[in-house]
Amino acid sequence: AQSVTQPDIHITVSEGASLELRCNYSYGATPYLFWYVQSPGQGLQLLLKYFSGDTLVQGIKGFEAEFKRSQSSFNLRKPSVHWSDAAEYFCAVGAGSYDKVIFGPGTSLSVIP
Amino acid sequence: DTAVSQTPKYLVTQMGNDKSIKCEQNLGHDTMYWYKQDSKKFLKIMFSYNNKELIINETVPNRFSPKSPDKAHLNLHINSLELGDSAVYFCASSQGGGSYTFGSGTRLTVV
Repeated sequence: AQSVTQPDIHITVSEGASLELRCNYSYGATPYLFWYVQSPGQGLQLLLKYFSGDTLVQGIKGFEAEFKRSQSSFNLRKPSVHWSDAAEYFCAVGAGSYDKVIFGPGTSLSVIP
Repeated sequence: DTAVSQTPKYLVTQMGNDKSIKCEQNLGHDTMYWYKQDSKKFLKIMFSYNNKELIINETVPNRFSPKSPDKAHLNLHINSLELGDSAVYFCASSQGGGSYTFGSGTRLTVV
């Protein structure tokens, strides 16, 4: 069965610093991979997704992620973090015929002004 | 115009009561979902409907019963509420490929 791990429960970065959030997945075939963001009191919003092709994926809000099959990873990056990026970030893997998406445990991002 | 709307946003109720949460999407998507987010922010899929047909039914107590009167609506009815049911319940919709649009959630508190 597919699963997702996010090794970092909580990360704090300074505004303007670069960011990398780690994600590892477990799935036998080529997975669909996603990053979602959840601002406080809100639902989740899709940042970006990987289905196939170019392993470097661009998303909204200046985020990008890189799929590395050899490492079973799909890490999220942003070159310069803004205070408004403080939120919970979820990596997710989708597989199977019914679009069932399994979410990782999330990484909470705090941004220091 | 909200794409996926859930009502109510907050729900406080006593143990043993029965309650419903409603969800509507105006995106024309074929598939709708219910997810439960616990106090540690962990998200777990509960149910999925594709064009009014139940296609995913995870290990959820049978006190939880989803109903989809049409493909734009997916409601969740919960009988005999327990303290452990306290969570945030999210509705989502998708047109395939796992790209979901989420509602803003219903925070259920059972006292």
